[in-house]
Amino acid sequence: QVVLTQSPSASASLGASVKLTCTLSSGHSSYAIAWHQQQPEKGPRYLMKLNNDGSHIKGDGIPDRFSGSSSGAERYLTISSLQSEDEADYYCQTWVTGDRVFGGGTKLTVL
Amino acid sequence: EVQLLESGGGLVQPGGSLRLSCAASGFTFNNYAMSWVRQASGKGLEWVSGISGSGDKTYYAASVKGRFTISRDNSKNTVYVQMSALRAEDTAVYYCAKEVGIAGGNTRGDFDYWGQGTLVTVSS
Repeated sequence: QVVLTQSPSASASLGASVKLTCTLSSGHSSYAIAWHQQQPEKGPRYLMKLNNDGSHIKGDGIPDRFSGSSSGAERYLTISSLQSEDEADYYCQTWVTGDRVFGGGTKLTVL
Repeated sequence: EVQLLESGGGLVQPGGSLRLSCAASGFTFNNYAMSWVRQASGKGLEWVSGISGSGDKTYYAASVKGRFTISRDNSKNTVYVQMSALRAEDTAVYYCAKEVGIAGGNTRGDFDYWGQGTLVTVSS
């Protein structure tokens, strides 16, 4: 059973960069994940698929400020030039046949 | 433009039933798997159920297996979830999500489009 672990919260200043982390459970370090953003009172929005080699494919209309990278069992989402609208919850997600798994989410505060 | 529009949410008593619908547009519906994902107030996302593009394969989370049934009508571009034996812990916003397709009509497993959700409240 794959488990995704995320820190509950993160913060960074307007205009700065932030790197969010999603950790895959033991034995699952080769898995790809997806990142989703959920702004307050809205449905989630797909950001990208991130492979274990760090290559990623972004969703429609996702700005270049959003990028992904990987190291071992860690999957990262980096947001640069932070804007106020980036204040949101960020979820990582992975999949196996017959199951879809979400991390607990990270609440990002833009100071 | 891909659009997913959920409907059918509301207040239902414990033990009751409810059917949610998700009307899809902007893509070739029968080529893609679809899923339902829910979110209790103040909590994270929880995958509930998924169905293949043709409807021949269905999948369920352990928390709803035996109580929820997912289906789709490709002639109406609509996916459904029939929820029965509802419990207080099923109270959540329910989102419909489109899965990313890959060659051969298979699904990759990640969700590239989401609806805005419909609220289900289970309470007496």
